[in-house]
Formats: sequence, C-alpha cells, structure tokens
Amino acid sequence: DARVTQTPRHKVTEMGQEVTMRCQPILGHNTVFWYRQTMMQGLELLAYFRNRAPLDDSGMPKDRFSAEMPDATLATLKIQPSEPRDSAVYFCASGLVSRNGYTFGSGTRLTVV
Amino acid sequence: AQSVTQLDSQVPVFEEAPVELRCNYSSSVSVYLFWYVQYPNQGLQLLLKYLSGSTLVESINGFEAEFNKSQTSFHLRKPSVHISDTAEYFCAVILSSNTGKLIFGQGTTLQVKP
Repeated sequence: DARVTQTPRHKVTEMGQEVTMRCQPILGHNTVFWYRQTMMQGLELLAYFRNRAPLDDSGMPKDRFSAEMPDATLATLKIQPSEPRDSAVYFCASGLVSRNGYTFGSGTRLTVV
Repeated sequence: AQSVTQLDSQVPVFEEAPVELRCNYSSSVSVYLFWYVQYPNQGLQLLLKYLSGSTLVESINGFEAEFNKSQTSFHLRKPSVHISDTAEYFCAVILSSNTGKLIFGQGTTLQVKP
C-alpha cells in the first residue's frame, strides 16, 4: 500500500532550537495537509497545499512556524524558535481528489523541554 | 463557516453491545462526510465516507454511518463491538467545492470493556 512517510517519528529538543519535520506525500497526490494534535485542542489544521502552492495557513502561528513544499515529493514544517507549548503530534496527510478522503502519515511526536 | 461537532468525548461500552457515535455538522453548502479512526500511537485511517447517493454507508469491519440531511448528522454505528474497536473516532467534513479543506470534530474515544 502507498504510504505517507513522516520523519522523524520522535523528536526531543530544547526550547529555542529549530525543529524541522518532513513529509513525503504519496506519489501523484497534489494536496498536502499539516495537522497538530494535542489532548487539549484535538486536531488543528495548520496549513495545506495544492500543487505545491499554499492554500490556507491561517491556523499556523506565523511568527515561528513555516510550511513549504520545495518539490512535489517533500513537504516541510519548521518551528523556529521552538517552545514547550509546541509539544504535540504533527501529522501530514495527502490526497488527490478530496471526495476520496486523505491518507495520513504516522506522525511526528515533538517534545520541547 | 463550516464546523463539526461530536457530541460525546468518551463512550464506554461493553463488548458485543451496540454503539452509536454522534456527529453533527453545519454548512450552508453540500458536503462530503468522513469518519476516521485512530488506534493508540498511530495515525488516522479512513473508516468510511459519504459523497452522494445512498445515505447509509458501510465499512469493511462492521461499522456503518447514516447521512441525515435534515438533521445535518452523520452518526456512526456498530451493532456489536469488539475489544479491538477501542480507539478514537473522528468525524470530518469537506465542502464539495474546490478547496478540499478537511475539518475535523473533536473526536470520540470509544472504550470497549470486556
């Protein structure tokens, strides 16, 4: 089965450090999402792209977060500087046609100490 | 604005009992509706979806959901649950337009007890 691959699976970092999370969408998928999951807030949409162009990043704190798609096979989410409140699981999802739903990766569990 | 409300944060149930997980949405336009399941320490998996046509949709593992347009609901049901169904279940919606933006409800934790 085709999969969305996220790296790293786990990341522990100190407050103030830069964190980069990567996502390899399923080949041929043109829509990529970034979500953040916490116990308190549930699943929050941070940003999403279609054909590598950002469609909506209104859910993302712009002062420290940035999301890009340098090419069709890679999406990145960066946090600089990181803070303890950024601790969460970050999911990437990709899809081609919205009516088919989207495929999620296994997530990156980020802990900022 | 579109939104999704899952009315129960936790649903405890005994094994082999029936269960219903409730989901309501608000939207002024037609929508696609989805249920995703998340097992512990895993990502989300698509369980079933409603696009159009028959209002009752089924998954391969015995779950079904019914789209009710007048009540703007998409409740998930299973007539007899197993221990292995213990997971978090998310209802989600996409406007049937070009944006493809997927919006999730808050999630419902199904706890199946022996």
